[in-house]
Amino acid sequence: DGGITQSPKYLFRKEGQNVTLSCEQNLNHDAMYWYRQDPGQGLRLIYYSQIVNDFQKGDIAEGYSVSREKKESFPLTVTSAQKNPTAFYLCASSSLRGVSYEQYFGPGTRLTVT
Amino acid sequence: SQQGEEDPQALSIQEGENATMNCSYKTSINNLQWYRQNSGRGLVHLILIRSNEREKHSGRLRVTLDTSKKSSSLLITASRAADTASYFCATAETSYDKVIFGPGTSLSVIP
Repeated sequence: DGGITQSPKYLFRKEGQNVTLSCEQNLNHDAMYWYRQDPGQGLRLIYYSQIVNDFQKGDIAEGYSVSREKKESFPLTVTSAQKNPTAFYLCASSSLRGVSYEQYFGPGTRLTVT
Repeated sequence: SQQGEEDPQALSIQEGENATMNCSYKTSINNLQWYRQNSGRGLVHLILIRSNEREKHSGRLRVTLDTSKKSSSLLITASRAADTASYFCATAETSYDKVIFGPGTSLSVIP
């Protein structure tokens, strides 16, 4: 089955701890994205990567970090510097080779920090 | 940065009726996409329309794009309870740019 996976589905952390969210895709997509979604709101872009070993900040990158060491993987670390980390985090990927830029989304990770 | 804004924020209809959602944006675009999100799940791509297209169909979905008014509409015909979800439009300024999502329309289809 081709697709994009995120783990875990639910994550609970204490304030002050860093936490890493996993995102893996086997679609052979070049581009990967991390979004944050707050209740009743749209998606806000945190980071994106169009090629291995390269990534760019999105609109709300402060308090987050990413790496792209492999094409298939784009983990997101929520650091203790992120002031309001509780949210639903969505990872997506897209192929940059064709004319379509449809994004494929994972099922999301709901992070709760107390 | 540009952003799509969906209208209305929430829509409630009876099963079998048509549902229309609108999206407005601020600057020129290369393409506009519509996505659907069931509660607590990831988004699913529905349809992409390019700036040189005016209308596209996919099953019960019909999307229009009016670049002069910087707006798009998504029509779902003969709605079903399973269409209950949030619907987002997303715009890309260039063919290699990141997409920007709007806040979404929450659709409830009552059986």
